[in-house]
Amino acid sequence: GIQVEQSPPDLILQEGANSTLRCNFSDSVNNLQWFHQNPWGQLINLFYIPSGTKQNGRLSATTVATERYSLLYISSSQTTDSGVYFCAAVPTAYQLIWGAGTKLIIKP
Amino acid sequence: GAVVSQHPSRVICKSGTSVKIECRSLDFQATTMFWYRQFPKKSLMLMATSNEGSKATYEQGVEKDKFLINHASLTLSTLTVTSAHPEDSSFYICSAKRPGGPDTQYFGPGTRLTVL
Repeated sequence: GIQVEQSPPDLILQEGANSTLRCNFSDSVNNLQWFHQNPWGQLINLFYIPSGTKQNGRLSATTVATERYSLLYISSSQTTDSGVYFCAAVPTAYQLIWGAGTKLIIKP
Repeated sequence: GAVVSQHPSRVICKSGTSVKIECRSLDFQATTMFWYRQFPKKSLMLMATSNEGSKATYEQGVEKDKFLINHASLTLSTLTVTSAHPEDSSFYICSAKRPGGPDTQYFGPGTRLTVL
């Protein structure tokens, strides 16, 4: 089955810094999603991005489907950005193949 | 937006008892809901897919008789952990697919179950 790998596993930054999180997937997929799980456990949909680039405020994501990777950019980090960022590949309808996540800590 | 709620958010029970967790889609009808389990510092593990009006589809290795799923209406799915044991302690998360929208799932806030 499809393997999804995320890097780095942990990231500690000062408030205001920028960061790039990476997601590699081993096979073609219908879709690629990014989620943020806040410290209380709530999962928030960030991007639904099978290919190309999308931006939402300080966050943007780029998926290069032909090279099987996706990047999540966070600019001007805030403490509220802390949590775990997951990417999930969608090989078929409804099925999510999760990466192990990147734990991000933003220090004030 | 698509809002999914879960109740309770946190539950502590004694070993041998049963616990029911509710998952509701608040602003849309969900023909399909999903139940996940998350271990500490791990990713989500799909337990089962719940379809309104039919039996749930369980993932390999998930005990059907232990984790009872009912999807009686288009806005409610329930997960009952029967005869709970300490090893069932975990964070349980439900999600729902919004019909007609992108092929994505919207997640509830999760339920932390602790079995003593």
